[in-house]
Amino acid sequence: DAKTTQPPSMDCAEGRAANLPCNHSTISGNEYVYWYRQIHSQGPQYIIHGLKNNETNEMASLIITEDRKSSTLILPHATLRDTAVYYCIVRVAGNTPLVFGKGTRLSVIA
Amino acid sequence: AAGVIQSPRHLIKEKRETATLKCYPIPRHDTVYWYQQGPGQDPQFLISFYEKMQSDKGSIPDRFSAQQFSDYHSELNMSSLELGDSALYFCASSPGPNTEAFFGQGTRLTVV
Repeated sequence: DAKTTQPPSMDCAEGRAANLPCNHSTISGNEYVYWYRQIHSQGPQYIIHGLKNNETNEMASLIITEDRKSSTLILPHATLRDTAVYYCIVRVAGNTPLVFGKGTRLSVIA
Repeated sequence: AAGVIQSPRHLIKEKRETATLKCYPIPRHDTVYWYQQGPGQDPQFLISFYEKMQSDKGSIPDRFSAQQFSDYHSELNMSSLELGDSALYFCASSPGPNTEAFFGQGTRLTVV
């Protein structure tokens, strides 16, 4: 059963911020939010993860709402190489597997 | 930095044959995950190992088996191959709980 809901596709102009939403209204207290992306048949690439605080790294920022029922992945300055399928995954704490849903196909347009 | 190594990268087998896919995790990673991704599909979790013991099981067919060895590498054994087994097979490894998993570049299996 899908634990997350994402729009199937989004477009973003090159150089602009890409904001990818994710709904995870049934998230539990011990579940983290992970974001991965997959560029055309390559292995999925880790982007960022968080529990309840907002997180930022060199790739992106993760904004989690206070009630933890939704989050937004922000790519601050999208480039053509950011075109990929982005997966938002809710994962129980521990060594549990990542369960991929449908993801959002982001197209960055020049 | 070292990444997850999968071999072979490409494999062509005939129906009813067997195949073995290998995964070499990043050094000091103790957990390995296997995924199958059919054409146009999202990655599907098959099975995982932690410290050489099976830890979680997903939608792995009974014809498939896997194990993790003492050096932490893992092998996915696939028997009685069917056309529908044609897919990308990814392995991922992680260094511990609540950490990110890193994926290999995958093995593309084609069953003819």
